[in-house]
Amino acid sequence: DIQMTQSPSSLSASVGDRVTITCRASQSISNSLNWYQQKPGKAPQPLIYAASGLQSGVPSRFSGSGSGTDFTLTISSLQPDDFATYYCQQSYSDVRFGPGTKVDIK
Amino acid sequence: QVALKESGPVLVKPSETLTLTCAVSALSLSNARMGVAWIRQPPGEALEWLAHIFSTDAKSYNTYLRSRLTVSKDTSNNLVVLTLTNMDPADTATYYCARLGQRLGQYYFDFWGQGVLVTVSS
Repeated sequence: DIQMTQSPSSLSASVGDRVTITCRASQSISNSLNWYQQKPGKAPQPLIYAASGLQSGVPSRFSGSGSGTDFTLTISSLQPDDFATYYCQQSYSDVRFGPGTKVDIK
Repeated sequence: QVALKESGPVLVKPSETLTLTCAVSALSLSNARMGVAWIRQPPGEALEWLAHIFSTDAKSYNTYLRSRLTVSKDTSNNLVVLTLTNMDPADTATYYCARLGQRLGQYYFDFWGQGVLVTVSS
């Protein structure tokens, strides 16, 4: 059973900041890692697939990297619309989501 | 435009069986490699994958809930159905269905329904 962790669990940032969120798998998952953004009261929306693929329609300030056990979601310049909770999700063996990282306004 | 919509009871009693339906639009469940998943989220908590089913009728279940879950599809009506038996207050959550898309050889959830909040209470 592959466990997923995320760090930090929450962070406060300002508009324009560079933000990095880390996701770690308990064993190698190759590039089977996806990222989602969720706003309060809404369904999650895909941002990144296969560790680094940018979902259609997602701004280019979002990027993903990593392989094996360690992955990163980066927002190059935080915008007001980006304050949300971010989840990683592995699809290597069944499906498991990370616990989430809440990004709020400093 | 691809759309998914969940429907079902918003209130169930403990020990009852929950049955939820996901109606899929603009995509056929009979398409090759078409998959639909169920995911839930207790209030204020993280997402939890429950199960998914493909057009081939291949199914996969959350290990910890397997004994209580059943997923099925009605291809002629483009519906996916989830049942969860022996409901408990800990099963109170928003239940989502989502399409399993595939890019670069990896599956991910590319279209989501709006979700339905199911409360378990006597």
